[in-house]
Amino acid sequence: KNEVEQSPQNLTAQEGEFITINCSYSVGISALHWLQQHPGGGIVSLFMLSSGKKKHGRLIATINIQEKHSSLHITASHPRDSAVYICAVPYSGGGADGLTFGKGTHLIIQP
Amino acid sequence: DAGVTQSPTHLIKTRGQQVTLRCSPKSGHDTVSWYQQALGQGPQFIFQYYEEEERQRGNFPDRFSGHQFPNYSSELNVNALLLGDSALYLCASSLGLGATEAFFGQGTRLTVV
Repeated sequence: KNEVEQSPQNLTAQEGEFITINCSYSVGISALHWLQQHPGGGIVSLFMLSSGKKKHGRLIATINIQEKHSSLHITASHPRDSAVYICAVPYSGGGADGLTFGKGTHLIIQP
Repeated sequence: DAGVTQSPTHLIKTRGQQVTLRCSPKSGHDTVSWYQQALGQGPQFIFQYYEEEERQRGNFPDRFSGHQFPNYSSELNVNALLLGDSALYLCASSLGLGATEAFFGQGTRLTVV
């Protein structure tokens, strides 16, 4: 089973700050997911990436397959970015897997 | 496009009872995965269904079972409920068994008393 570690667990920052959330996993993977969860439970998929870097608006995700590490960055953070950010990878590393999740990073952006 | 829909949204059951949760995948998706999320924790993989068969299973006891129908919708059944089964149950759908994007439902909040 793939093991996922996220850091930090909690992060409070001021509006406008650059945010970085890190994710490490134990088994080589086909792709990694970054997800956002708001209070009440709904999960939204932000990125799925298997190499390099992806950008969507103020969000940037990078992955280093050799080092088994990914980062999620938020530029010009805003209070509406406050949520739990979760990294997820295939349960056993393969492409035909359910996902195993990190415990999440609880992000609070203060005005 | 309705996305992934789960029912019910909230449910209260008594210890020892049985429960069935339902999931309709996003239009065009044929793979459904179920997850359990305890309060303050990340989701845990229960199992995945594709072509009406359980394809992969996480570390959950046999009290947790499922089914996928020909229209790709799915049910999660939990027998002999324990207090520790109280959690948010999430369903995710995707297309095929490859590394494709997963779309999540809003979840069913199960409380066992």
